[in-house]
Amino acid sequence: AQTVTQSQPEMSVQEAETVTLSCTYDTSENNYYLFWYKQPPSRQMILVIRQEAYKQQNATENRFSVNFQKAAKSFSLKISDSQLGDTAMYFCASETLSGNLIFGKGTKLSVKP
Amino acid sequence: EAGVAQSPRYKIIEKRQSVAFWCNPISGHATLYWYQQILGQGPKLLIQFQNNGVVDDSQLPKDRFSAERLKGVDSTLKIQPAKLEDSAVYLCASSLVGRAQYFGPGTRLLVL
Repeated sequence: AQTVTQSQPEMSVQEAETVTLSCTYDTSENNYYLFWYKQPPSRQMILVIRQEAYKQQNATENRFSVNFQKAAKSFSLKISDSQLGDTAMYFCASETLSGNLIFGKGTKLSVKP
Repeated sequence: EAGVAQSPRYKIIEKRQSVAFWCNPISGHATLYWYQQILGQGPKLLIQFQNNGVVDDSQLPKDRFSAERLKGVDSTLKIQPAKLEDSAVYLCASSLVGRAQYFGPGTRLLVL
């Protein structure tokens, strides 16, 4: 069975600083997708970034980038120039063959002024 | 473009009562998902539809949960009878085939 592990239940960062959230996963698939979703207190799950496993280049979306290490099955999220609006739960997820998502337990990120 | 719509946003019921949630996916999205998110955990898939057919319902507690997607658009998730452990947020998501999922605001259910 696929699993996703987020080992940091909570993290904090000062505004304008950089923070990295960790994620490891386990899958038997050769080609798959990995995701980071953000869930603010309003609870709406928002897609942050998506990585295709067959692409060696790390995905980047404005201030958000990933460090994808396929052999190590590691998929970390880096947030640069952190903003107060980045405060949220962050979930790492891997996609199954049928297209649904397996989520980790999440990391609660607090951005402090 | 309108996002995924869900209603109601909040529901409080007593155990053994029934409850139904509604989801309207993004227009044109063939795939629809229902997830259950218990407090402090990541979402867990309950059921996945492709158009009006079920792709995966392996984690749906079929003795009390049911879901349908008539006409391949809107979907309804029902719980009957509800248990205390069903208290959770129920998230609906939709996607084009093979593309990223987009989530609705969720329905928060409290079973007393």
